[in-house]
Amino acid sequence: DVKVTQSSRYLVKRTGEKVFLECVQDMDHENMFWYRQDPGLGLRLIYFSYDVKMKEKGDIPEGYSVSREKKERFSLILESASTNQTSMYLCASRAGTVNEKLFFGSGTQLSVL
Amino acid sequence: GEDVEQSLFLSVREGDSSVINCTYTDSSSTYLYWYKQEPGAGLQLLTYIFSNMDMKQDQRLTVLLNKKDKHLSLRIADTQTGDSAIYFCADYNDYKLSFGAGTTVTVRA
Repeated sequence: DVKVTQSSRYLVKRTGEKVFLECVQDMDHENMFWYRQDPGLGLRLIYFSYDVKMKEKGDIPEGYSVSREKKERFSLILESASTNQTSMYLCASRAGTVNEKLFFGSGTQLSVL
Repeated sequence: GEDVEQSLFLSVREGDSSVINCTYTDSSSTYLYWYKQEPGAGLQLLTYIFSNMDMKQDQRLTVLLNKKDKHLSLRIADTQTGDSAIYFCADYNDYKLSFGAGTTVTVRA
């Protein structure tokens, strides 16, 4: 079965810190995604990548960047964390075709103090 | 997401049917999805429907699509306590999925 692993379940960081959220998938999927989930707002797409070294902005990219140096790993970077980035972050991956299932990791709950 | 809307809460008695409704704005959506999120977990795909279909049934789940009104619904028959979760509607467009805010379904005895 496909596994999408997010490196941390909970993270607490201070305002201004640089934060790395890591995501690894084990099924050679081409597409990977970073969402944030907030109560009442659902999931909002931050960035996605459809191939190594390729990245596309989602709906709310401000304050974030991403890195995809290897196919299996997609990192989300908060250059200077702020309190409004406190959220649940979900990584997902999918094989290339349209109707392939999107597989989600368990999420990282990030608190920025 | 702002393009996909759903009500936030639903309470249902065990054994009854649940109906979760969703509206979307993008008429070019090719696939529409229902995802389930249990506490402390990521999202799992429950079912999906292609935009040229009106209905899809999968065991206790029935998806209805009214493309003219851009309305999607998920019916869960014989709702059980294990169905308590957040249910997300999503549409596929332009390489990505757009999600609604999620409907929290609470099943009471």
